[in-house]
Amino acid sequence: GEDVEQSLFLSVREGDSSVINCTYTDSSSTYLYWYKQEPGAGLQLLTYIFSNMDMKQDQRLTVLLNKKDKHLSLRIADTQTGDSAIYFCAEGAINFNKFYFGSGTKLNVKP
Amino acid sequence: NAGVTQTPKFQVLKTGQSMTLQCAQDMNHNSMYWYRQDPGMGLRLIYYSASEGTTDKGEVPNGYNVSRLNKREFSLRLESAAPSQTSVYFCASRWETDNEQFFGPGTRLTVL
Repeated sequence: GEDVEQSLFLSVREGDSSVINCTYTDSSSTYLYWYKQEPGAGLQLLTYIFSNMDMKQDQRLTVLLNKKDKHLSLRIADTQTGDSAIYFCAEGAINFNKFYFGSGTKLNVKP
Repeated sequence: NAGVTQTPKFQVLKTGQSMTLQCAQDMNHNSMYWYRQDPGMGLRLIYYSASEGTTDKGEVPNGYNVSRLNKREFSLRLESAAPSQTSVYFCASRWETDNEQFFGPGTRLTVL
């Protein structure tokens, strides 16, 4: 399958910005996604970006895509303790019904 | 709307036993998926079903079978469980033209 790489842990203080990074290998991916998983729950889609876009902003979330370097990042502004969760990067092409997930970054927000 | 439901939530099996994991969605989605989640490895696609009556292999299909019983239900069967199948299993569904997959709460399976 395709490789999607993420760092395993990130720790920030409440009110700071968090930046979670991801690299991927499949240049044919149509969309790139960020999912959030809270303890004991399934994954929930946070946001996604089409592969021909550089940036997408959605309230406190900013997604940056560097297609040349195959690098995706998720910035969470004013991080809150409720943002503590595991964040997964994923790539996929919906027409092909194949989605590849990274191993997840555990975000710990300290009060 | 219950969304995507999975049963059971937890299961312990002995090596060689069989079991079926159930998944149902009430959102009238065509596409349904089974993933497994292992520590440090993210989610890997086992099987998917693009529509009622069709199923296709994903990244890690060995040791599993699936049935798309109708539009609502997609089950995953382990015929002879092995310790390597200890994992958390997630079912998901989506509209065929939409990006968002909706995930169930997961089944935590331990094979001794």
